[in-house]
Amino acid sequence: AQSVAQPEDQVNVAEGNPLTVKCTYSVSGNPYLFWYVQYPNRGLQFLLKYITGDNLVKGSYGFEAEFNKSQTSFHLKKPSALVSDSALYFCAVRASDRGSTLGRLYFGRGTQLTVWP
Amino acid sequence: NAGVTQTPKFQVLKTGQSMTLQCAQDMNHNSMYWYRQDPGMGLRLIYYSASEGTTDKGEVPNGYNVSRLNKREFSLRLESAAPSQTSVYFCASRNPGIDTQYFGPGTRLTVL
Repeated sequence: AQSVAQPEDQVNVAEGNPLTVKCTYSVSGNPYLFWYVQYPNRGLQFLLKYITGDNLVKGSYGFEAEFNKSQTSFHLKKPSALVSDSALYFCAVRASDRGSTLGRLYFGRGTQLTVWP
Repeated sequence: NAGVTQTPKFQVLKTGQSMTLQCAQDMNHNSMYWYRQDPGMGLRLIYYSASEGTTDKGEVPNGYNVSRLNKREFSLRLESAAPSQTSVYFCASRNPGIDTQYFGPGTRLTVL
């Protein structure tokens, strides 16, 4: 069974400081991993994904994520946070097996990131 | 190119009433999804559709029905609304080429 854990409901960081939003996953087979962001009263927007290859993935708005297979983690990072990065962040996983149906994603519960000036 | 659109944006129902949430995408995607979002629960899949004429249950299908009317449209119906169905509902479609789902703006539903 596929599942995602985001251990922190909230992350608070000062503007200009680095930020990390944590994600661990469980999946049968090789994982496809995703980060989405949700701004207030909006739908989810795709940030980045890991399918294969380099463990460090770069995405939109200066975000990056590091895939660690041994720790089954896919933490989201940014070297210097902006107040405008404040939003709800979701990690998601799906299996790469042929049995995986229709690109179905399993989402974590979300982490509220607040960047204060 | 509007992406994924949903109507209505807001709805208030009384227990036992029925309604249909509409979703349409103009990206020519085959796969479409309905999710619900509840505080502290993340997104949970209600139903999904691989293509026109096919639908499958997701994680929380009870109390819902869906129709994939054509390639563009995927509707979600509540036959007899219950307070437990108060939630924000998101529709999404998937681009298989880049393996990414695109989400609509959501429908905020309150059942009294």
